[in-house]
Amino acid sequence: AQSVAQPEDQVNVAEGNPLTVKCTYSVSGNPYLFWYVQYPNRGLQFLLKYITGDNLVKGSYGFEAEFNKSQTSFHLKKPSALVSDSALYFCAVREDSSYKLIFGSGTRLLVRP
Amino acid sequence: DGGITQSPKYLFRKEGQNVTLSCEQNLNHDAMYWYRQDPGQGLRLIYYSQIVNDFQKGDIAEGYSVSREKKESFPLTVTSAQKNPTAFYLCASSSLAGVNEQYFGPGTRLTVT
Repeated sequence: AQSVAQPEDQVNVAEGNPLTVKCTYSVSGNPYLFWYVQYPNRGLQFLLKYITGDNLVKGSYGFEAEFNKSQTSFHLKKPSALVSDSALYFCAVREDSSYKLIFGSGTRLLVRP
Repeated sequence: DGGITQSPKYLFRKEGQNVTLSCEQNLNHDAMYWYRQDPGQGLRLIYYSQIVNDFQKGDIAEGYSVSREKKESFPLTVTSAQKNPTAFYLCASSSLAGVNEQYFGPGTRLTVT
């Protein structure tokens, strides 16, 4: 069965520093991977996705993610964090035989000024 | 939150009452989804529909029902059989062509007392 793990409940980083939010996945077929962000009491906003091709995927708001097949990881990164990046981040995976997304439990990012 | 609307934003009900949550999209998407979000558990799929007049159970369908009479509408009924209905409910939609991200509505926070 497919699954997604976000090992950190919270990540703290100072404004201007690089940030990484971790995600590992488990699927039996080809993985399609997604990152979403959620602000308080709002729906999820799509950041980026990996389908195939280049292992470094660029997305919205300066975020990028690195796909690593051997480590089954898809970590979200940003070179320089902003206070406004503080939010809840979800990683999700979809198998190529299904339209269903499986979400991780979420990681709260706190960027301090 | 794209072209997906959910109403109302907040909903309060007494235990034992059925309640219907609205979800409408103007994105011309074929697929629609309902998720439940509880703290620390990420999103869990309740029901999804890939075409009008057809829908499938997700991982936690017990105590819920849906209908898909129109392409743009996918209402969710939380029945009195749902043992713990208080949660944040999110509706999403996606195109079925290729590998496409899901677009989310702003959510409905249901409180049952």
